[in-house]
Amino acid sequence: QQQVKQSPQSLIVQKGGISIINCAYENTAFDYFPWYQQFPGKGPALLIAIRPDVSEKKEGRFTISFNKSAKQFSLHIMDSQPGDSATYFCAARSYETSGSRLTFGEGTQLTVNP
Amino acid sequence: GAVVSQHPSWVICKSGTSVKIECRSLDFQATTMFWYRQFPKQSLMLMATSNEGSKATYEQGVEKDKFLINHASLTLSTLTVTSAHPEDSSFYICSAPSLHRGFESYTFGSGTRLTVV
Repeated sequence: QQQVKQSPQSLIVQKGGISIINCAYENTAFDYFPWYQQFPGKGPALLIAIRPDVSEKKEGRFTISFNKSAKQFSLHIMDSQPGDSATYFCAARSYETSGSRLTFGEGTQLTVNP
Repeated sequence: GAVVSQHPSWVICKSGTSVKIECRSLDFQATTMFWYRQFPKQSLMLMATSNEGSKATYEQGVEKDKFLINHASLTLSTLTVTSAHPEDSSFYICSAPSLHRGFESYTFGSGTRLTVV
């Protein structure tokens, strides 16, 4: 129930195209859904995040679409650029007795061809 | 924005020795620090959660005597890998709850690549 399922595992997009990464979850207690971008040898960096009371959030070229009833959320990268080539992780937050924690999806390796 | 400084960025050590990894919150107070481990082409696995001034909480399967966590101040948390073995070679990353553009977030360190030879 704590899992977050992410797809696809890898994605190749042409420059200028739209990259779409999907995540699904089971735990309805998750209350915060961030997306992280990670370059090789670096720590994850927050891209954009959403709370379940909002269906969509847009920041620049990045948009999160959130479907609470389906327990799914997705990241859309518009006008994808070669510099967007990285690994993307979705995550979801829950609360345990020890405090909050993030559960991560398996990751999507995005390659944007020039 | 919030910054978590992690050092060293990479370290090579001999089998049987110990290695300490430091994470500092530079412009905010981190009452909580999360420690993750990441194998190549895999996701982040939470190892333990530390709270300032109290004992860390370890995830199931993580040896607390092998991975010693100290969170003695609001700006510094350390992870010591004791008696390291080649199977401990991995990418270790710390993270702390923070604010991003005024909203709740989790800021990650830049990671430490540990290689045990």
